[in-house]
Amino acid sequence: DQQVKQNSPSLSVQEGRISILNCDYTNSMFDYFLWYKKYPAEGPTFLISISSIKDKNEDGRFTVFLNKSAKHLSLHIVPSQPGDSAVYFCAASDTGTYKYIFGTGTRLKVLA
Amino acid sequence: GAGVSQSPSNKVTEKGKDVELRCDPISGHTALYWYRQSLGQGLEFLIYFQGNSAPDKSGLPSDRFSAERTGGSVSTLTIQRTQQEDSAVYLCASTLRGQKFQETQYFGPGTRLLVL
Repeated sequence: DQQVKQNSPSLSVQEGRISILNCDYTNSMFDYFLWYKKYPAEGPTFLISISSIKDKNEDGRFTVFLNKSAKHLSLHIVPSQPGDSAVYFCAASDTGTYKYIFGTGTRLKVLA
Repeated sequence: GAGVSQSPSNKVTEKGKDVELRCDPISGHTALYWYRQSLGQGLEFLIYFQGNSAPDKSGLPSDRFSAERTGGSVSTLTIQRTQQEDSAVYLCASTLRGQKFQETQYFGPGTRLLVL
């Protein structure tokens, strides 16, 4: 049972436009959510996170939105840059446990 | 250290051989995680260490997999009698405090294992 789902395996966006990556989860106990970026042959690197007490967190060009009622989060990248081309993973955790559950990733390609 | 390091970066082995993968977490991080990423899949949780203890080993795919952590630092993941389905990227991550804290996991570059 996939508790964290990223239903779009890939996304292409023109440079300068907005990239929106989506993630859905099923476990209502999740209270902390993270986005990671992964380049080929490297480990995932942390991008941005959000606690369930918030519905938005912003860091520069990156904003994460959380809709708890829909069990949905999204990552917005504005403006998109070619260097943003990577695989993006969302992850969720229930703070009471040690587990971080990852989605299968979305490959973003930003076209110059 | 500056970040999480893993060795070897690549490992090619023959079916049936044993392999040992190593992870050096960030200095001072008490929690350590092992994940596996098979081709086209997400990150599959394997095991978690809080200090030298592994409270839950249920993520390990079979009894051919084992892991240990010594001195609250270095961890080794051992796969005995490797099978072709063990081929994957094995990732290690660490956090400062672990369970019950909202923390960022810091990942190593991974070990790419290919079982022929």
